[in-house]
Amino acid sequence: DAGITQSPRYKITETGRQVTLMCHQTWSHSYMFWYRQDLGHGLRLIYYSAAADITDKGEVPDGYVVSRSKTENFPLTLESATRSQTSVYFCASSEDKGGDEQFFGPGTRLTVL
Amino acid sequence: AQKVTQAQTEISVVEKEDVTLDCVYETRDTTYYLFWYKQPPSGELVFLIRRNSFDEQNEISGRYSWNFQKSTSSFNFTITASQVVDSAVYFCALSEGKTSYDKVIFGPGTSLSVIP
Repeated sequence: DAGITQSPRYKITETGRQVTLMCHQTWSHSYMFWYRQDLGHGLRLIYYSAAADITDKGEVPDGYVVSRSKTENFPLTLESATRSQTSVYFCASSEDKGGDEQFFGPGTRLTVL
Repeated sequence: AQKVTQAQTEISVVEKEDVTLDCVYETRDTTYYLFWYKQPPSGELVFLIRRNSFDEQNEISGRYSWNFQKSTSSFNFTITASQVVDSAVYFCALSEGKTSYDKVIFGPGTSLSVIP
C-alpha cells in the first residue's frame, strides 16, 4: 500500500523493556521524522533524518535511538522504556523542498507500565 | 530562544462563520520556517502549510488563508465559511534550523469547534 505506515498501532510494555516502533514510507521521501504528543507538552520532535544513514536530534532525543539504513524505513527504539515515554508517537516524511508537503503516519499509542 | 504562542485555547463558531486562529512567534534568526497543522478528532495529523521567513505573501488555499506579518511576528490562519469538518485542533509551529524541519517547536494548539 502506498503511503506511510506505523507499527504497531498500540503497544503496552513495562518499564525497562526495549521497544521498537516501526515507520515505513513508500514514496522514497528523503526526510523522515519522529514526534511525540503528550497532554501537557503538546507535539515535540524527537529525531529526524535527512537521508539514509543521516539522522539528527530534535527537541527531546534522550532515551531514544533511531537508525535509517534504508530510505523507506525509520525505526525508533526506546532502549529502556520509562513511564514518561508513554505517549502517542507520530512518524512523518517529506521531500523538504519548497512547498513540499509533510505526510504523517497514523500514530502509535505507547503505554509504559 | 524560539517560542510559539497560540493564545486562543478553544474557539467555537457557528457553521459558515469566518474564524481566525492566531499564532505569534519569537525567534532571533532571520531565516526560519512557519507551519500550520490540523489534528481532527480522529487523531491523525495533517500538514497544512509551510512558509519561509523570506516569503511574506499571503497564501490562499480554498477556504483557508494565511497572513504572515514579520512586523508583528504573526502567522495567522483564517478559515472562511467554516464547516463542521473544520473542527479540529490546529497547531502552529516554528523552525529556525538549517533545514525547514530542523529544531521545530510547536505551539500548544487551538481547539476549534464548528457548530452546525
